[in-house]
Amino acid sequence: GQNIDQPTEMTATEGAIVQINCTYQTSGFNGLFWYQQHAGEAPTFLSYNVLDGLEEKGRFSSFLSRSKGYSYLLLKELQMKDSASYLCAVREGNDYKLSFGAGTTVTVRA
Amino acid sequence: GAGVSQSPSNKVTEKGKDVELRCDPISGHTALYWYRQSLGQGLEFLIYFQGNSAPDKSGLPSDRFSAERTGGSVSTLTIQRTQQEDSAVYLCASSFQASGGNEQFFGPGTRLTVL
Repeated sequence: GQNIDQPTEMTATEGAIVQINCTYQTSGFNGLFWYQQHAGEAPTFLSYNVLDGLEEKGRFSSFLSRSKGYSYLLLKELQMKDSASYLCAVREGNDYKLSFGAGTTVTVRA
Repeated sequence: GAGVSQSPSNKVTEKGKDVELRCDPISGHTALYWYRQSLGQGLEFLIYFQGNSAPDKSGLPSDRFSAERTGGSVSTLTIQRTQQEDSAVYLCASSFQASGGNEQFFGPGTRLTVL
């Protein structure tokens, strides 16, 4: 399986930018997903990267470097509602299931 | 219409009892997944169903866990002789296909507490 690491917690101020890093080790990388999960709620899809580079979607961007086994999720113009856990998940080979990191809890302060 | 639904939302049971957790996937989604989320842990894959193919049960932690999917739609996860370490949130997800970038849509989960 994969070894997926991401920071446990991050705190930032409303309006600021926060970057959540995710590193992984896999023998046959085939895609990386970012999900957002508010407390007590279901994870919701944010982004998918399979090729190197930056994918931008509104205030959220996700970057992937396959050679480095590294991704980040960038949250810009932070809002209070962005306080949540952010989950990095990797798909390996032709596998259909995702392997998740433990999640990064982001707290946005006024 | 609706997203993935799960029932019950909360279940408290006594050690040794059996429990059944239900998942209704999004209509038309052929792939269905069960995950478990323990406090402070990442989501742990349990089992996967795709159409009429045999399910992948490789993530089930013990033979006390089983799941079935009837008619390619509703799925039930059964835990027999529950133990305290089974306490977790059990999440179900479905996707249109199992490959590529098809995102998995998650249900709200069932919070299981074993006393």
